[in-house]
Amino acid sequence: AQSVTQPDIHITVSEGASLELRCNYSYGATPYLFWYVQSPGQGLQLLLKYFSGDTLVQGIKGFEAEFKRSQSSFNLRKPSVHWSDAAEYFCAVSSYNTDKLIFGTGTRLQVFP
Amino acid sequence: DGGITQSPKYLFRKEGQNVTLSCEQNLNHDAMYWYRQDPGQGLRLIYYSQIVNDFQKGDIAEGYSVSREKKESFPLTVTSAQKNPTAFYLCASNIQAGTEAFFGQGTRLTVV
Repeated sequence: AQSVTQPDIHITVSEGASLELRCNYSYGATPYLFWYVQSPGQGLQLLLKYFSGDTLVQGIKGFEAEFKRSQSSFNLRKPSVHWSDAAEYFCAVSSYNTDKLIFGTGTRLQVFP
Repeated sequence: DGGITQSPKYLFRKEGQNVTLSCEQNLNHDAMYWYRQDPGQGLRLIYYSQIVNDFQKGDIAEGYSVSREKKESFPLTVTSAQKNPTAFYLCASNIQAGTEAFFGQGTRLTVV
């Protein structure tokens, strides 16, 4: 079955520290992969996406993610976290032959000054 | 500006009443979706529509109904059959299945 796993429910980092949020997927076809961010009480905003090509993709707000097919992973990274990055982050997967996005359960990021 | 508009932002409903959540998009997208979000459970798909006058059940369709009479609009009705309707509801659209989805700002429904 198609699925997305975000093993970390809650992560706390200090402002200025580096960040890595984990995402693993299970998908039969070539995956399209996405990271979204959600502030409290708001909708989801797309951070970045991977369809094909370079496995390291750059997104908005200084985020990047790397697709590793051998590990079925698409981890999100940021070299230096800002207090405004505190939010919930969702990984999602789809493909060219599917009709919907499958979301992980999310990782809540807390940033301490 | 193009986007997805959900209304109202907050909605209160008495138990036993049906209520309809609005979702309108001006992105000219073919596909539209409704998700339900509960704490710790991520986004769960309720219904989706790939084209006007056609829609499919998602993972948790029981107690909900939708219509897609116009490309721009995909209203969701929460019926009295939905046992636990209090949640945050998100509408999304994409230009075609498989591509990135764009989200509205959500509607928080509270049953009182």
